[in-house]
Formats: sequence, C-alpha cells, structure tokens
Amino acid sequence: SQQGEEDPQALSIQEGENATMNCSYKTSINNLQWYRQNSGRGLVHLILIRSNEREKHSGRLRVTLDTSKKSSSLLITASRAADTASYFCATDALPGGSYIPTFGRGTSLIVHP
Amino acid sequence: KAGVTQTPRYLIKTRGQQVTLSCSPISGHRSVSWYQQTPGQGLQFLFEYFSETQRNKGNFPGRFSGRQFSNSRSEMNVSTLELGDSALYLCASSLGTGGTDTQYFGPGTRLTVL
Repeated sequence: SQQGEEDPQALSIQEGENATMNCSYKTSINNLQWYRQNSGRGLVHLILIRSNEREKHSGRLRVTLDTSKKSSSLLITASRAADTASYFCATDALPGGSYIPTFGRGTSLIVHP
Repeated sequence: KAGVTQTPRYLIKTRGQQVTLSCSPISGHRSVSWYQQTPGQGLQFLFEYFSETQRNKGNFPGRFSGRQFSNSRSEMNVSTLELGDSALYLCASSLGTGGTDTQYFGPGTRLTVL
C-alpha cells in the first residue's frame, strides 16, 4: 500500500479561496516533499520539510509536519486558476535501510476563475 | 541551467517488444531516479542510480533495468513488454542520493503498449 496518502482526493474551490491538502504516512521519515503535477506532465517540486521541522513557507504555500501523527498538510493561500493541478506528497521510506521514495495518490485541485 | 530532458516523449510498442528510454539530468546532478506513473498504481519508484551504480530499487520485475553513464545520463530498458507497462515514465535528477536533496523531474515519456 502507499506510504503517503493524500486527502481529499479531489478539491474544487473558487479563485481567491485557500486550499488545504493533507498527507498521512505510515513509517518514520527523514523528510517529506510536496510536488505539483499539471495534467500528465512532469512533477514540479514545491517544498521539502525535514523531520525536525514543523512548518515551512514558500510564497503562498505553507507546509506543516506533525511527526507524532505522521501527517503533513499543504496550504495554498489566495488560490489562482493556475494552481489547478494534482498535488502529491512523497516520503523517504527506509525499509531495511534502503531509500525508497514513496508517493501518495495525490489530491486533484481545481480552482475556478 | 537546462532542466531534465527525456527522450522520446511518446512511444508506441507492441507486446513482447523491448524499449529503451533516455534521461539527461541537470548539469552537475549525479543521481537519476526513475518512476512509473499509472492511473491505477499512481507513482511508483523503479530505481535510482548514482555515479553509475544502482543505489536503490523498487519492487518491479527484472524486465525493468537501467544504467547510468559516466556523464550521469541514464537509460531505462523494459524487455518483453506487457500491456500493463503502458504508463508515463518519469525520471528525476538530484545532486545527492538517498532522498536528501530535491528531485527535479523531466516531462516524462508516455509509453503505450498495444
């Protein structure tokens, strides 16, 4: 099963509203990353947050990490139509010491102009 | 600085054939990772190469193989293609290995197996 699971699977909002996506994972991690993917194209890296960090900001993006709950959230403030994309969280699962990057299934965000 | 490039962008093959995909990382990046993305299974890690050595491997059959050259360019090969191999294949490059650095993704190769 997926290490990271995003919630909700789909989100539809109006331009200017905030969008919040959540990610839960199962095993201990060193870091967690959020990516954006526009329809069938490559992924764009958004933010990397390390296990000893609780919150990071980048422009209109805010990521939080709660290692006790094994969860992270991505907040996009003042959303724009151009934010329409799928958003994925990725964790660095380390079964037996090997690095296996694991992605969730993503949240599909639609921002209506 | 040029981004990650992948060739070809689109490919159509028939069952039983083999295919080779190519990935050129960002200049200076020594790690290249490959992923398979399908609607059913999502994004799955295939393997990672660093300095011409496979460092990590996902849970895929031996039909999927790869290699990395001294200039860090990487190729992925899939032999005896199956219908289920139809997917978007993404490669990503990073400075270091083991998930310590940001990965930069290419646009992907869309493989269709008929």
